[in-house]
Amino acid sequence: GIQVEQSPPDLILQEGANSTLRCNFSDSVNNLQWFHQNPWGQLINLFYIPSGTKQNGRLSATTVATERYSLLYISSSQTTDSGVYFCAVEAGTASKLTFGTGTRLQVTL
Amino acid sequence: NAGVMQNPRHLVRRRGQEARLRCSPMKGHSHVYWYRQLPEEGLKFMVYLQKENIIDESGMPKERFSAEFPKEGPSILRIQQVVRGDSAAYFCASSPGDTQYFGPGTRLTVL
Repeated sequence: GIQVEQSPPDLILQEGANSTLRCNFSDSVNNLQWFHQNPWGQLINLFYIPSGTKQNGRLSATTVATERYSLLYISSSQTTDSGVYFCAVEAGTASKLTFGTGTRLQVTL
Repeated sequence: NAGVMQNPRHLVRRRGQEARLRCSPMKGHSHVYWYRQLPEEGLKFMVYLQKENIIDESGMPKERFSAEFPKEGPSILRIQQVVRGDSAAYFCASSPGDTQYFGPGTRLTVL
């Protein structure tokens, strides 16, 4: 099956700093989503982005499908951005999402 | 438009008991997915259902686990004779066909 790897695995930032999270995948995808799992365990949809670039406030994402990677940018980070960020892809005829290993982000004051 | 709803949010069972987890998809969504998240791991796909049909159950253990999405009512994930290894967070997602939206999860603890 498709492999999804995320980097870095852990990231500590001071409030106000910017960061880039990366998601590499091993095959062509039909769907790619970014999620934030907050410290209470809730999964929050950030982007549906199988290709191209999208922006939502301080967050933006870019997927380069031909090169099999996606990037999530967080600008002016806040403590509420802490949690785990997952990339998940849907490949081939399967409708299921395969999740990456996640990036654990901690934003400190 | 209410989001995906799951209940209960927390469930405690003793070994050998049955666990029933419920998921109500977002209004207008006909696709339901169940995922399991073990502690400190990512989510793993279990089963994909549409109304009254199981489309893909390739991620579901062959024994003790079953899922349904009846014509009326919520989707149910049923775990019979639970064991300690079943302790996990179980997430349901629904979709109109592309983006999957996740519920808050049910945290199952098996004593």
